[in-house]
Amino acid sequence: NAGVTQTPKFRILKIGQSMTLQCTQDMNHNYMYWYRQDPGMGLKLIYYSVGAGITDKGEVPNGYNVSRSTTEDFPLRLELAAPSQTSVYFCASSSGGLEKLFFGSGTQLSVL
Amino acid sequence: GEDVEQSLFLSVREGDSSVINCTYTDSSSTYLYWYKQEPGAGLQLLTYIFSNMDMKQDQRLTVLLNKKDKHLSLRIADTQTGDSAIYFCAELRQGAQKLVFGQGTRLTINP
Repeated sequence: NAGVTQTPKFRILKIGQSMTLQCTQDMNHNYMYWYRQDPGMGLKLIYYSVGAGITDKGEVPNGYNVSRSTTEDFPLRLELAAPSQTSVYFCASSSGGLEKLFFGSGTQLSVL
Repeated sequence: GEDVEQSLFLSVREGDSSVINCTYTDSSSTYLYWYKQEPGAGLQLLTYIFSNMDMKQDQRLTVLLNKKDKHLSLRIADTQTGDSAIYFCAELRQGAQKLVFGQGTRLTINP
């Protein structure tokens, strides 16, 4: 059982470039989340989704977009990468809200 | 305030007990969690405690909750090298349905 799978694991972007971080889960979870983890800081919620076709902003949504066309997939889009978006990004899913989250292994992104 | 606070580093000898501390701010929190993050991996739920409990024990892990002081601790008995990781506490704020994480404590095991 793969759980939550994120790709890529590492990426370096130039300022102004765009990219999509992929996240897929095979547990039929309705709830999916994107967090970012900055050094020495806790995780901050970027966007979340409570089901296919439904997305909502978290604490730090600026500079990001998401879509949820299927239950399995929840991609995160960076349109114009900025150095402030250098971080480790984690996707998570759950069957019912925040009570028990399953995390992917993360994407380390550097914007130079 | 927003913050969930943890010390950033803890170093213990193999075989000793580790105690990782956390303070939180919201008295309405329903669940408090400990997550473990091993190098290159995502966060894994280690254990959790419901806010009406004072203590929870699960094998080598003991969670203590002091609601009056808003203090949460995780004790790992007989610490092993495999326990080396970053440990995050988190509180689930019921009203906002918001999970707030601490900064993480990096646990290092010395031989």
